[in-house]
Amino acid sequence: GQNIDQPTEMTATEGAIVQINCTYQTSGFNGLFWYQQHAGEAPTFLSYNVLDGLEEKGRFSSFLSRSKGYSYLLLKELQMKDSASYLCAPGGYIPTFGRGTSLIVHP
Amino acid sequence: SQTIHQWPATLVQPVGSPLSLECTVEGTSNPNLYWYRQAAGRGLQLLFYSVGIGQISSEVPQNLSASRPQDRQFILSSKKLLLSDSGFYLCAWRKGSYEQYFGPGTRLTVT
Repeated sequence: GQNIDQPTEMTATEGAIVQINCTYQTSGFNGLFWYQQHAGEAPTFLSYNVLDGLEEKGRFSSFLSRSKGYSYLLLKELQMKDSASYLCAPGGYIPTFGRGTSLIVHP
Repeated sequence: SQTIHQWPATLVQPVGSPLSLECTVEGTSNPNLYWYRQAAGRGLQLLFYSVGIGQISSEVPQNLSASRPQDRQFILSSKKLLLSDSGFYLCAWRKGSYEQYFGPGTRLTVT
C-alpha cells in the first residue's frame, strides 16, 4: 500500500515562490506524479519523476529523493491562476493519490 | 496526439437506477485504462484498471463494475446506484510506464 502526506492547504503571494512537499511510504515504487487540479475540473499532468533529482519545466520544478520517500513541487513567479489543488501520486504501475494540497494565491 | 473522451459530462440519477459511463481514447493503442472516483473534498480513489481487452482489475469492492469491450473503450456500470455513488468520475489512460492522463470527467449526482 501507499501512505502519502501533503499539507492540506498553503497560501502564497502573487509573484512569490512556493514549495509543496510530499512524503510517502510505498511498495513497488516506480515513479512519482504531480498533478494540478482546478476546482470542478480533471487533474492535469505536471511532472513525472522516476530518478532522483530535480526536473524543471518552466515555472514548475519537481524534485524526488527515493531513498527518503520525499518529493516536492516548486512553483516560481506565482500567478493567480496557480490557485488550485496539487496532487502528489507515487507508485509505479498504478499511481496512488493523496488528498492534495490546496494552494491559494492572493494579490 | 492522444485525446481522451468521457461522456456524459454531468448526470443526475435517482437511487436504484442503472449507470453507464463511457470513456474512449484516441491516438494510441493498447493503453492501460483506469477509472477513478473523487468524492467531494476527498482524494482520487482508484476503482478499476485494465491492461487489455476484457482484462479488468477491481480495487474497491462495491456495486460498480467495469468492462473493456474494445482496446480504447472503457465502460463503468452499475445496476443500482446508491447515494454514496455520487462523485466526480475520471477515466485515465497510460502507455506503459509513462505519464498518465485524465479525461474531462463525469460529475454524477445520485438523488
